[in-house]
Amino acid sequence: QPVLTQPTSLSASPGASARFTCTLRSGINVGTYRIYWYQQKPGSLPRYLLNYKSDSDNQQGSGVPSRFSGSKDASTNAGLLLISGLQSEDEADYYCAIWFSTTWVFGGGTRLTVL
Amino acid sequence: EVQLVESGGGSVQPGGSLRLSCAASGFTLSSYEMIWVRQAPGKGLEWLSYISSSGSGKYYADSVKGRFTISRDNAKNSLYLQMNSLRAEDTAFYYCARDNLGFDIWGQGTMVTVSS
Repeated sequence: QPVLTQPTSLSASPGASARFTCTLRSGINVGTYRIYWYQQKPGSLPRYLLNYKSDSDNQQGSGVPSRFSGSKDASTNAGLLLISGLQSEDEADYYCAIWFSTTWVFGGGTRLTVL
Repeated sequence: EVQLVESGGGSVQPGGSLRLSCAASGFTLSSYEMIWVRQAPGKGLEWLSYISSSGSGKYYADSVKGRFTISRDNAKNSLYLQMNSLRAEDTAFYYCARDNLGFDIWGQGTMVTVSS
């Protein structure tokens, strides 16, 4: 089982909100980890969005709008990326990552379609 | 302007070697931890290696351990990835990135193709 699991795809309408999940493997407690989120548009480099450890310990990437936010769901052992007020330009692949046991681990990515 | 520029990619036969370079400008490389990441065409991001700001700490993904070596020359503001025993599955775009509590600066990438 992968360390981080992300749904392959997500669809949402313009103006709506999107909720991305990044589920940590059983036995790896999401509360312990800082979750990092990246956006990659087709043909472009990955862009750092934010990291989230807790409500009092999180950082937004430089120039990243506040409609991008992080959270956690302890009940499902998942890190969350929330995007409100979806725009067509938000169509991209979104990756989560954690520093786990002296390695960086990326999730497989979720492709967001805004339609 | 803060930027990273990779070089050294190309086509190589299985079993061959390549050395990638990543030149930093607009910031002091020695202040940052750095990583290498690759992305096969149409696939996701795969972390390969990490190096501490001084170069004393290095970590590798299992997929490249024993074959790839990360290094840096802070005096030259440069990061390197020596890749040996290359395999077809190493074919990908290779990126260096700055670790600033998030990989906030990425190079444009250099393509490595391993094929006979």
